[in-house]
Amino acid sequence: NAGVMQNPRHLVRRRGQEARLRCSPMKGHSHVYWYRQLPEEGLKFMVYLQKENIIDESGMPKERFSAEFPKEGPSILRIQQVVRGDSAAYFCASSPSETPYEQYFGPGTRLTVT
Amino acid sequence: AQRVTQPEKLLSVFKGAPVELKCNYSYSGSPELFWYVQYSRQRLQLLLRHISRESIKGFTADLNKGETSFHLKKPFAQEEDSAMYYCALRMVRQTGANNLFFGTGTRLTVIP
Repeated sequence: NAGVMQNPRHLVRRRGQEARLRCSPMKGHSHVYWYRQLPEEGLKFMVYLQKENIIDESGMPKERFSAEFPKEGPSILRIQQVVRGDSAAYFCASSPSETPYEQYFGPGTRLTVT
Repeated sequence: AQRVTQPEKLLSVFKGAPVELKCNYSYSGSPELFWYVQYSRQRLQLLLRHISRESIKGFTADLNKGETSFHLKKPFAQEEDSAMYYCALRMVRQTGANNLFFGTGTRLTVIP
């Protein structure tokens, strides 16, 4: 089991471009969480998804951000029209349905907006 | 509102000395707390949770509801304990989501 995979590990975008971050959960895990870590801050919850469903997106900015976890394939966090303030590390975590509190983290994607 | 506070950004101790990483929380519900650790060039991983009351790598943490604290302790620090440590609070929402609220982290350096 390779663990939670995230790609790309580093992503550079110019202001106004789109960023797409991918997360493949651990095998057998059906719950995915996205967190964002701004410089000098802790991880902040963004969104919680199960296959084909967004369960809780209370931590997502209202505009430009969206997430999905399709039936097949990885979960995608999409940021449209990126701004400098979106520069951060974005972490994905997955958990099994039996123990949803036991979250396993990916290595993160570091987004830099120039 | 829920909050997790780790007052120390940096903590340095000598090898063999006791170490305590502080964590205080604020939460109106029944708290469930965790410590996560991130070693250099590795991903964030769960170290321990208060419910299990176990010792992992010599670390223990006791939930003190009176003081709303969940400090992480180890009697004798080792060089391999140098890492970033995050305290996290689990919040079970009506949606069923299991969000974790993280503190800002404490970077522990164990001096040989």
